[in-house]
Amino acid sequence: GQQVMQIPQYQHVQEGEDFTTYCNSSTTLSNIQWYKQRPGGHPVFLIQLVKSGEVKKQKRLTFQFGEAKKNSSLHITATQTTDVGTYFCAGWEYGNKLVFGAGTILRVKS
Amino acid sequence: DGGITQSPKYLFRKEGQNVTLSCEQNLNHDAMYWYRQDPGQGLRLIYYSQIVNDFQKGDIAEGYSVSREKKESFPLTVTSAQKNPTAFYLCASSSLTGEQFFGPGTRLTVL
Repeated sequence: GQQVMQIPQYQHVQEGEDFTTYCNSSTTLSNIQWYKQRPGGHPVFLIQLVKSGEVKKQKRLTFQFGEAKKNSSLHITATQTTDVGTYFCAGWEYGNKLVFGAGTILRVKS
Repeated sequence: DGGITQSPKYLFRKEGQNVTLSCEQNLNHDAMYWYRQDPGQGLRLIYYSQIVNDFQKGDIAEGYSVSREKKESFPLTVTSAQKNPTAFYLCASSSLTGEQFFGPGTRLTVL
């Protein structure tokens, strides 16, 4: 079955530094989604990428979808303490199941 | 307000007991999902349902059962056959665009 790998597992940054998490799928994805889960909370949808090579921005967050539609990245510029949490990528199998990566835990030191 | 509710927030179970976790949505979504979250392992799919009276096993269905008698409701039963049920359980529904909306979750602890 489809596997979605996410790296790094954990990252601790100084406030103001940049952060990037990477997502790689074993198969071609129809689209990819990104979610954020605050400590003690539930995942919240951030964005969905559909097109090959697509780049989308949300304020300090930049999302990319690879040309082959098998990888994606989330980059945060100048992290803030409010960015703390776990970031998950998730890819739809060509069917009805969303497969989640294991997530990257981001800690921000002020 | 539209959304997904899960109850209870915390649940304690003795070994050998079945427990049922509630999930209700008023988003008018056809598709609903149950995930299990363990530390460092992301979200693993237990069961999902695309339509009323129909559901499919996910990746870790053993020891769990579900029903989908109403569009709004998708309860999950954790049976005594589940060897390691202590975890955080998340229910979700999805829109036609595929975006998933999650409930607040239930933390199940087996004593």
